[in-house]
Amino acid sequence: DIVVTQSPDSLAVSLGERATINCKSSQSVLYSSNNKNYLAWYQQKPGQPPKLLIYWASTRESGVPDRFSGSGSGTDFTLTISSLQAEDVAVYYCHQYYSIPQTFGPGTKVDIK
Amino acid sequence: EVQLLESGGGLVQPGGSLRLSCAASGFTFRSYTMNWVRQAPGKGLEWVSTFSSSDGSTYYADSVKGRFTISRDNSKNTLYLQMNSLRAEDTAVYYCAKSIPGAYDHWGQGTLVTVSS
Repeated sequence: DIVVTQSPDSLAVSLGERATINCKSSQSVLYSSNNKNYLAWYQQKPGQPPKLLIYWASTRESGVPDRFSGSGSGTDFTLTISSLQAEDVAVYYCHQYYSIPQTFGPGTKVDIK
Repeated sequence: EVQLLESGGGLVQPGGSLRLSCAASGFTFRSYTMNWVRQAPGKGLEWVSTFSSSDGSTYYADSVKGRFTISRDNSKNTLYLQMNSLRAEDTAVYYCAKSIPGAYDHWGQGTLVTVSS
């Protein structure tokens, strides 16, 4: 099974500042035949289902603000919020869909400093 | 507009059964792989099961294999999860989610399953 870890567990960032969340998979999630990383990022606010932000590691989902970006390849990935807004307070999860069982990271809680 | 509406959750005793349903609308249901993901109270997300639209293959987490069965009725645009031999550790909000494929682009609001005596 691919184990997905995230760091930090939580972070507090001032409004307008950058937030960076890291995700690491125990095996590569890069599929060589199509050169795609099978890695997604989700945002979950209290009492709501998760919302897809990024897929294929760096493709922003339609309607997601461009302050959210994803990067990385292979086993190391990053979600960046370039200028934190109040509405970005949430828990963020990465998700590998490269292999079964699909696995999620434990989540990173983002708060306002 | 894509909508996924789960139902069927509730309180059940250990060893009991429940069947969850997920009614889909706003997209061509038969063309998309569908999934169940759960979230225990205050915990993270756990993938439970997937039903592939391409070949009808089904996949399960080890934690539910042999106890849960995923199925779908494309004529009713509905995804199901039959849950047998329920345990306390199955207590969670169960979400159905649509694959785009791969990542999950739409999620239902979830249905709470509580396993307790």
